[in-house]
Amino acid sequence: DQQVKQNSPSLSVQEGRISILNCDYTNSMFDYFLWYKKYPAEGPTFLISISSIKDKNEDGRFTVFLNKSAKHLSLHIVPSQPGDSAVYFCAASVNSGYALNFGKGTSLLVTP
Amino acid sequence: ETGVTQTPRHLVMGMTNKKSLKCEQHLGHNAMYWYKQSAKKPLELMFVYSLEERVENNSVPSRFSPECPNSSHLFLHLHTLQPEDSALYLCASSQDAVGEKLFFGSGTQLSVL
Repeated sequence: DQQVKQNSPSLSVQEGRISILNCDYTNSMFDYFLWYKKYPAEGPTFLISISSIKDKNEDGRFTVFLNKSAKHLSLHIVPSQPGDSAVYFCAASVNSGYALNFGKGTSLLVTP
Repeated sequence: ETGVTQTPRHLVMGMTNKKSLKCEQHLGHNAMYWYKQSAKKPLELMFVYSLEERVENNSVPSRFSPECPNSSHLFLHLHTLQPEDSALYLCASSQDAVGEKLFFGSGTQLSVL
């Protein structure tokens, strides 16, 4: 059963606007969350993470918000740029475990 | 020099063939991973090695056989695969194997005929 869900397979946003990518999880033991970005023909690259002791983490244009009670996290990109067009994967883990549980990904297209 | 290098990038093999995927990391990490990405499915963890010891085998069929000769190299030996094994196989590494961020290679796109 999938423990990390990204229910929107794709998203299209205009350049300069905000992109919001959503992720839901079912396992309340998850305490570390990450976002990865993947371009075609390349492996995923780490973007930003958040620990469950925080509800927000910001890095430049990227902010991740965590709502533990709703078991929901989101990635905000502002302002969006055409180079942000990629597939974004949400992942979660229990700190003592080896495995990252990934969502299926959301394909973001930023149009000029 | 990229952090995690995988070869080959593409591989087509028959069901009776034996082939190997290779991964090399230049980051000085202690843990290495094999992940599988099938179409329209999330990345699935296959194997984890920490300091050259296998610490996780995620119910992977025996037709996939990993090998980690040292902390920089990881292999995935393939034999008598099935067409449903066609997927993107991604190698990754991390500093330690405790829920840390992963650094991925570009993957090997495998097609089994």
